[in-house]
Amino acid sequence: EPEVTQTPSHQVTQMGQEVILRCVPISNHLYFYWYRQILGQKVEFLVSFYNNEISEKSEIFDDQFSVERPDGSNFTLKIRSTKLEDSAMYFCASRGQGGSSSDTQYFGPGTRLTVL
Amino acid sequence: EDQVTQSPEALRLQEGESSSLNCSYTVSGLRGLFWYRQDPGKGPEFLFTLYSAGEEKEKERLKATLTKKESFLHITAPKPEDSATYLCAVQAAGGGNKLTFGTGTQLKVEL
Repeated sequence: EPEVTQTPSHQVTQMGQEVILRCVPISNHLYFYWYRQILGQKVEFLVSFYNNEISEKSEIFDDQFSVERPDGSNFTLKIRSTKLEDSAMYFCASRGQGGSSSDTQYFGPGTRLTVL
Repeated sequence: EDQVTQSPEALRLQEGESSSLNCSYTVSGLRGLFWYRQDPGKGPEFLFTLYSAGEEKEKERLKATLTKKESFLHITAPKPEDSATYLCAVQAAGGGNKLTFGTGTQLKVEL
């Protein structure tokens, strides 16, 4: 069964450093998302991406964040200068196109980001 | 602003003891309501999508229902392997595709 994969599973970084989180969405999906979940809190939307551009972003997704689809399979989230409050679990999700079943977003296993 | 409230926050059941989880929502036009299961340290795993009031979906011991203001996830004769956090999320019509999640119900099923 196709699934979303994410690497690394755990990333530890120093405050102020840049990090890139990687995702491989399900192969025939066209819509891509990043969400985050701070420990003990709800899953929060960060950004959605379609047709090589951002279609929607939240207030959390400020100038320190960027997304890219560098090739036909990967989808990345970059944080330019990490802060302590960026520590969270980051989830990538993807969905297909066409029909009601395409509304479903399928999530990856997540990358745990720890900023020291 | 879209809002999702789930109750109870935590629920402890004995194996075989049926119960229901609640998800109340306010959204500017509902496109879809989603139920996910989340195990500790893992990503949300899709369970159901509901689109209109009166709709029901079933999968093994789980049944999800939808009204105009809330959704219920009914768990019939649960087993210990059903222990997880159950997340409810809504997607608004007319806007983007983002999901707005509730805080979840942490379910523990004991032998």
